[in-house]
Amino acid sequence: DIQMTQSPSSLSASVGDRVTITCRASQSITIYLNWYQQRPGKAPKLLIYAASSLQSGVPSRFSGSGSGTDFTLTISSLQPEDFATYFCQQSYSTPFTFGPGTKVDIK
Amino acid sequence: EVQLVESGGVVIQPGGSLRLSCAASGFTFVDYSMHWVRQVPGKGLEWVSLISWDGSRTYYADSVEGRFTISRDNSKNSLYLQMNSLKTEDGALYYCAKDKGSTGWLFDYWGQGTLVTVSS
Repeated sequence: DIQMTQSPSSLSASVGDRVTITCRASQSITIYLNWYQQRPGKAPKLLIYAASSLQSGVPSRFSGSGSGTDFTLTISSLQPEDFATYFCQQSYSTPFTFGPGTKVDIK
Repeated sequence: EVQLVESGGVVIQPGGSLRLSCAASGFTFVDYSMHWVRQVPGKGLEWVSLISWDGSRTYYADSVEGRFTISRDNSKNSLYLQMNSLKTEDGALYYCAKDKGSTGWLFDYWGQGTLVTVSS
């Protein structure tokens, strides 16, 4: 199975900050990497797919980059509604595994 | 508007069986593969199973292989998960998720989940 790790596990930030979250796969997954946002009590929401493609309706302050084993999710200017937990997920091969999540909370 | 509504979650004893359902609307159900993903409240996400658009291909996580069966009824726009020989570690919020049908397998719409509690 492909193992996914994320760093940091949590971070505190202020509105307007630039935030970067890293995801690493245990083997190359080319660009088969997706990012989800989960607010408390809600289902996950797809933000980025294929490493860098923005899902329809998602604000442009979210961006993704990377290929192979190392990937990054960037929020260019953190907004109040962005305080949530972020998960990466590999869609390269079954089982489709998720990272453990990065919780972004208010500083 | 895409809607996925799960049902069937209950409190059940270890060893028991349960069938979850997911009613889909707002998109052409037969055109898309579908998934079940689970999450212990407050914990991470675990992909459980995938079924192709026509039901001809199914895939499972090792943790449920041989105990769970995914199926679909395209005439009813419905997805199912038959869960047998339930273990305490199967207790979780079970989400039905639509596959995006794009690069790789990923989940572009999710239901709100149905809670399964396995406890004696």
